[in-house]
Amino acid sequence: AQSVTQLDSHVSVSEGTPVLLRCNYSSSYSPSLFWYVQHPNKGLQLLLKYTSAATLVKGINGFEAEFKKSETSFHLTKPSAHMSDAAEYFCVVSEENYGGSQGNLIFGKGTKLSVKP
Amino acid sequence: DGGITQSPKYLFRKEGQNVTLSCEQNLNHDAMYWYRQDPGQGLRLIYYSQIVNDFQKGDIAEGYSVSREKKESFPLTVTSAQKNPTAFYLCASRPRGGGDTQYFGPGTRLTVL
Repeated sequence: AQSVTQLDSHVSVSEGTPVLLRCNYSSSYSPSLFWYVQHPNKGLQLLLKYTSAATLVKGINGFEAEFKKSETSFHLTKPSAHMSDAAEYFCVVSEENYGGSQGNLIFGKGTKLSVKP
Repeated sequence: DGGITQSPKYLFRKEGQNVTLSCEQNLNHDAMYWYRQDPGQGLRLIYYSQIVNDFQKGDIAEGYSVSREKKESFPLTVTSAQKNPTAFYLCASRPRGGGDTQYFGPGTRLTVL
């Protein structure tokens, strides 16, 4: 069964410094992996998606993530944090079985990013 | 504008009352989903529907019911059987052939007093 683990429940950085949000996944198949962002009391917005085309995936707002199969990781990074990046981030894996993707998603518990001025 | 709308944004109900949360999409998406979000728990799937007039239970369906009479609409009823209904509820949709990406509505915060 697929699963995803976000290694930090809360990350705090200073504005202008790099951001690293860590995610490990478990999947017996070639998964689709996502990062979503949620600002307080809002819906989720897709940041980026990995679907095996390229291991380094670029997303919106300067974020990117690298798929590392040997480490079963999909960490999210950004070179320089902005105050507007403060939000909760979810690492997500697609639910699949031998019949292929069913379209359902499995969510990590989220990482809350704080950005200090 | 195309998108997913959920109404109302905030909802208050007395304990023991059923309440229905609305989710409408004009994206022509086939699949629709309901999630529950609690602090520190991520999103948990309540129900989903791949096509009209068909739906399946997710991981935490007990105490909830849905219908899918129209492609655009997927209302969720929180019944009195749901032991702890206070939560943030998110609706999502996915197009056929669009991969696994789901698109989310703005959510409804339900508080049961």
